Amino acid sequence: AQSVTQLDSQVPVFEEAPVELRCNYSSSVSVYLFWYVQYPNQGLQLLLKYLSGSTLVKGINGFEAEFNKSQTSFHLRKPSVHISDTAEYFCASNRRAGSYQLTFGKGTKLSVIP
Amino acid sequence: DAGVTQSPTHLIKTRGQQVTLRCSPKSGHDTVSWYQQALGQGPQFIFQYYEEEERQRGNFPDRFSGHQFPNYSSELNVNALLLGDSALYLCASSSHREHMAVPYNEQFFGPGTRLTVL
Repeated sequence: AQSVTQLDSQVPVFEEAPVELRCNYSSSVSVYLFWYVQYPNQGLQLLLKYLSGSTLVKGINGFEAEFNKSQTSFHLRKPSVHISDTAEYFCASNRRAGSYQLTFGKGTKLSVIP
Repeated sequence: DAGVTQSPTHLIKTRGQQVTLRCSPKSGHDTVSWYQQALGQGPQFIFQYYEEEERQRGNFPDRFSGHQFPNYSSELNVNALLLGDSALYLCASSSHREHMAVPYNEQFFGPGTRLTVL
């Protein structure tokens, strides 16, 4: 079965410091991978997606992620975080083209400390 | 463009009752998916509707049912509520034509309905 594991439930980081949120996926077939952000009392917003091609994916708000097939990882990074980045981040996968079913990790709460 | 809207925002029910949640998709979208997000968990896929029919379903019991209307809006119904049904219920919409044309087309999520079962 397809699964997504987010290795950290909470990540505190000081403002303007770099951050990495870790995600590992498990699948025997090719997958599409995503990072979503959820601000308090809001729905999920897509940050970035990996479908194919370049393993370094750039998203909105200065975030980027690197697809690593050998390590089955898709870690999210930002070189310098801002207070407004405080939110919950979800890694997700979609097993096949045409499927609407996203499989989400349990989420990582990013807290940016002033 | 109002984006994806959901109603109500919050809901409190007791065990055994039935509940109906509503979703209006983003303008131009014709496909709606529903997710359940329990506290401290990631969202779990319930089902997806297109052309007024359930097309894909996750691992949820038959107590969870849905409906899509000709205007593409959708309802999620849950019967015989259990305490474990307490969660944030998210609706996501997308365009089926665009979804099939590319490997993945973005689904836009609404703010959710917070259901509490007492």
